[in-house]
Amino acid sequence: GAGVSQSPSNKVTEKGKDVELRCDPISGHTALYWYRQSLGQGLEFLIYFQGNSAPDKSGLPSDRFSAERTGGSVSTLTIQRTQQEDSAVYLCASSQRGQVTQYFGPGTRLTVL
Amino acid sequence: DQQVKQNSPSLSVQEGRISILNCDYTNSMFDYFLWYKKYPAEGPTFLISISSIKDKNEDGRFTVFLNKSAKHLSLHIVPSQPGDSAVYFCAASARGSQGNLIFGKGTKLSVKP
Repeated sequence: GAGVSQSPSNKVTEKGKDVELRCDPISGHTALYWYRQSLGQGLEFLIYFQGNSAPDKSGLPSDRFSAERTGGSVSTLTIQRTQQEDSAVYLCASSQRGQVTQYFGPGTRLTVL
Repeated sequence: DQQVKQNSPSLSVQEGRISILNCDYTNSMFDYFLWYKKYPAEGPTFLISISSIKDKNEDGRFTVFLNKSAKHLSLHIVPSQPGDSAVYFCAASARGSQGNLIFGKGTKLSVKP
């Protein structure tokens, strides 16, 4: 299919380790968003990329979180020195320029032991 | 402080009857609203949206109503089907924002046969 894909689907790691989560947006979508959903909570905005513009990092919860988007397509969210409170489902979404509607990937479930 | 609130964590409805999911918001800068449906272990799927210049938008069995003066929107599903059982998220986008969506915590709908 031509939807948003994310990998891995599940990741279990030990506290203190670094993790990388990957997102492939829909082809042609210029905007890419990362959200996370903790247990019992709504989706929390993390970071936004639009084309070649500087990303909006206002939702990143700490400096342990960072994200890159290479070539205006694939994005990687990196969490350094993971903590147990980082356990959540990390969701990626993309949208066309000028459109509000975002299309989500299946998410990566991160568990920090 | 939550800007988008879904005060009912769950709702149970009989098949064939109407499901009404409610959402309240506090930010008067929100000008676009969306409903997403989420099945377990999947990402949210876009369902229907409404611009603040309208008070109603209909798509098949799904209708969204917007009451700007009350800062309230609702999603009506009629007739409800067992396959509609999922978590429904209300989301809002603010005028002039980068497009990141503000989500409610979701309402779990169960449609009983």
